[in-house]
Amino acid sequence: NAGVTQTPKFQVLKTGQSMTLQCAQDMNHEYMSWYRQDPGMGLRLIHYSVGAGITDQGEVPNGYNVSRSTTEDFPLRLLSAAPSQTSVYFCASRPNRDSHSTDTQYFGPGTRLTVL
Amino acid sequence: AQSVTQPDIHITVSEGASLELRCNYSYGATPYLFWYVQSPGQGLQLLLKYFSGDTLVQGIKGFEAEFKRSQSSFNLRKPSVHWSDAAEYFCAVGAGGYQKVTFGTGTKLQVIP
Repeated sequence: NAGVTQTPKFQVLKTGQSMTLQCAQDMNHEYMSWYRQDPGMGLRLIHYSVGAGITDQGEVPNGYNVSRSTTEDFPLRLLSAAPSQTSVYFCASRPNRDSHSTDTQYFGPGTRLTVL
Repeated sequence: AQSVTQPDIHITVSEGASLELRCNYSYGATPYLFWYVQSPGQGLQLLLKYFSGDTLVQGIKGFEAEFKRSQSSFNLRKPSVHWSDAAEYFCAVGAGGYQKVTFGTGTKLQVIP
């Protein structure tokens, strides 16, 4: 298993550009999520998905779109990048979406995004 | 909604000394609690987790944490710190529908020889 993979590792955008951060897992996990990490703020949940075709907003969803057409992939789209979206983005997954799941959440290596 | 507070932004300890990192949570019921470690430029690795049962939880790399319901705390401890423990540590709580995980702001650990 490759685990949770993210591409690209680094990206520089200009304000107003769009792009998609890719996330994939090969473990057949139900639950997937996107976080952003900013200095002094920890990780904040952007969006999450509990299965193919099912997504919902997290704590900081504005400016981001997601979709989940397959179990494996959970891309994060920035439609019009802003400097405030400069951050490190982490994708994570866990096997079971259940509220009482005791599964471990696995994190990808992250994507470092800079918006100029 | 749940929340997590890590009151110490930065901690410095000498190699071989003991370590305690503080974590307080806010949630109406018993949450699921986690400690993660992040080395510079790396992703997050789970150190340990608490769901129920014994309130003293053992994790990897010699870490342990104790859940204290009366204090809403889940402090991380290690009896003897190694230089390789220098990293940033995040406490997190999983609660609510689909058990969404909320992270604290992190504590950066520096280990001096």
